Amino acid sequence: DGGITQSPKYLFRKEGQNVTLSCEQNLNHDAMYWYRQDPGQGLRLIYYSQIVNDFQKGDIAEGYSVSREKKESFPLTVTSAQKNPTAFYLCASSITGDVYEQYFGPGTRLTVT
Amino acid sequence: EDKVVQSPLSLVVHEGDTVTLNCSYEVTNFRSLLWYKQEKKAPTFLFMLTSSGIEKKSGRLSSILDKKELFSILNITATQTGDSAVYLCAVEARTSGSRLTFGEGTQLTVNP
Repeated sequence: DGGITQSPKYLFRKEGQNVTLSCEQNLNHDAMYWYRQDPGQGLRLIYYSQIVNDFQKGDIAEGYSVSREKKESFPLTVTSAQKNPTAFYLCASSITGDVYEQYFGPGTRLTVT
Repeated sequence: EDKVVQSPLSLVVHEGDTVTLNCSYEVTNFRSLLWYKQEKKAPTFLFMLTSSGIEKKSGRLSSILDKKELFSILNITATQTGDSAVYLCAVEARTSGSRLTFGEGTQLTVNP
């Protein structure tokens, strides 16, 4: 079955620690995205990548880093510099070129205490 | 800066009611508007509306796009408890490189 997987589903960390969230897709999509969702709010774009070895900052990139070494994978690192990291993180992917919808993974809920 | 505003932010109805969710937007060089349904976790795609497709329908759900007035509505007729979810509206600009700007979402609760 084609789709997007994110792991883990729930993640707990102590303040001051970096943490990496996994996102893998087997849809053969060129573009991948990371969003953050806070309670009662919509999705805000953190980083996105339209091609391997290239990525761009979204609207709230501060305190986050990404890599895109493989087409299938787009891991997100939440660094200790992110002031309020507790949130629900969603990864998405899409075809590029024309008008195509984004497909979402199941999300990772990160709690930092 | 692109902007998407959804209303109402929350809505409680009874099964069988018809609901209308609103989405207004400001975007430079509009390309498409998308509706998603989110039940607890991953948003699932509902509709995409573009200049060439301003009205979509699937079962009890339908959506229209008014490019002149810069808004879209999502209609759900004969609502069911399974329609309870957050409905998200997003827009894409031609110059955005396929990135989406999302609204806050409308929390719909359908009571039996």
